[in-house]
Amino acid sequence: DAGVTQSPTHLIKTRGQQVTLRCSPKSGHDTVSWYQQALGQGPQFIFQYYEEEERQRGNFPDRFSGHQFPNYSSELNVNALLLGDSALYLCASSDAAQGLNTGELFFGEGSRLTVL
Amino acid sequence: EDQVTQSPEALRLQEGESSSLNCSYTVSGLRGLFWYRQDPGKGPEFLFTLYSAGEEKEKERLKATLTKKESFLHITAPKPEDSATYLCAVQAGGQNFVFGPGTRLSVLP
Repeated sequence: DAGVTQSPTHLIKTRGQQVTLRCSPKSGHDTVSWYQQALGQGPQFIFQYYEEEERQRGNFPDRFSGHQFPNYSSELNVNALLLGDSALYLCASSDAAQGLNTGELFFGEGSRLTVL
Repeated sequence: EDQVTQSPEALRLQEGESSSLNCSYTVSGLRGLFWYRQDPGKGPEFLFTLYSAGEEKEKERLKATLTKKESFLHITAPKPEDSATYLCAVQAGGQNFVFGPGTRLSVLP
């Protein structure tokens, strides 16, 4: 049973560029959430997708956008990259009927973004 | 605004030396408090969910407890493989989780 998979695992960009990160949820899961984790900090909620729509958003600027596809996979896009966007980007999947009420989010191993 | 703090920031224990990690929270309408374990270079792994004050959950050498303002993760007779960062998170009215900064635990053989 494949868990949450994310790609790429590592990438380096320069300021002003754009980046797209991808996530495939755990089999049977229909909800995808994205988190940003800076070094030495806890994950911070970016947004959540369910039924191909953004359902909730954290305190992140519009430079951060996303998409969910009919197969439940998701993309996170960040435009006009800043040095402060350097972080581990985590995707978490859950079953809307169960996971959000139990806390059992299943996380991928993350995409490490470095902005130079 | 929902907030979660954790202490200590880092903790070094000898194998077999029991201790507790603290998670303090400020939230309107707590729906649940969650503990996760995160190994270096990995995503967080779910450990426990606690819903109401007085509730306790156990898993191997770990026991989580909850009061109205804080939660404790008790580690009994830890082993080196328990070394990790332990994250606490709360869920309030929305669907998002608010995470604390974590406690980095090192268990020395």
